[in-house]
Amino acid sequence: QKEVEQNSGPLSVPEGAIASLNCTYSDRVSQSFFWYRQYSGKSPELIMSIYSNGDKEDGRFTAQLNKASQYVSLLIRDSQPSDSATYLCAVDSSASKIIFGSGTRLSIRP
Amino acid sequence: ETGVTQTPRHLVMGMTNKKSLKCEQHLGHNAMYWYKQSAKKPLELMFVYNFKEQTENNSVPSRFSPECPNSSHLFLHLHTLQPEDSALYLCASSPRTGGNNEQFFGPGTRLTVL
Repeated sequence: QKEVEQNSGPLSVPEGAIASLNCTYSDRVSQSFFWYRQYSGKSPELIMSIYSNGDKEDGRFTAQLNKASQYVSLLIRDSQPSDSATYLCAVDSSASKIIFGSGTRLSIRP
Repeated sequence: ETGVTQTPRHLVMGMTNKKSLKCEQHLGHNAMYWYKQSAKKPLELMFVYNFKEQTENNSVPSRFSPECPNSSHLFLHLHTLQPEDSALYLCASSPRTGGNNEQFFGPGTRLTVL
């Protein structure tokens, strides 16, 4: 079983809609969770970090964490074409290093 | 300069060459990382340094040799590479290692081995 799993996509969402990206993880002791955005040919850029169960909102982005179910999600409201990118979920492991998922490719269609 | 910088941004080398990648962070962080990103693969952690000490070597071949002279600088020395080593090499830094420490990435070095 992969340590951090994401649907590779592509996920196609119409402009203005809500994009929902999901991530599951295997290490029950994980405490820190991160979402990165990576444009093609560029490096990952940190969007959100979340450490407690529940929702965390930052502008159009909302991260949701459910430790009991071992999943973390990212919602993007009012999706824009500029949101088209690959979104990486990252989780700290019991070995004190961060494990990245393989990413979900998001495409916002006008 | 701010954030994390990497040089060179692009590098083409032959299998017998020796080259070095440089990373510098201006964030006051104490942990630095090297990652490899190949096409359609997840980010692969290569090395971790915390307060200049190497804390992680993720079974990386010896043709990759890291060096961390201080908390702000990180090098990756390359020699006798193989074509399959062609990838995007990313440097990152964080306040310390461990959870609850957000990592910030440099722009990467696109390496092509001929």
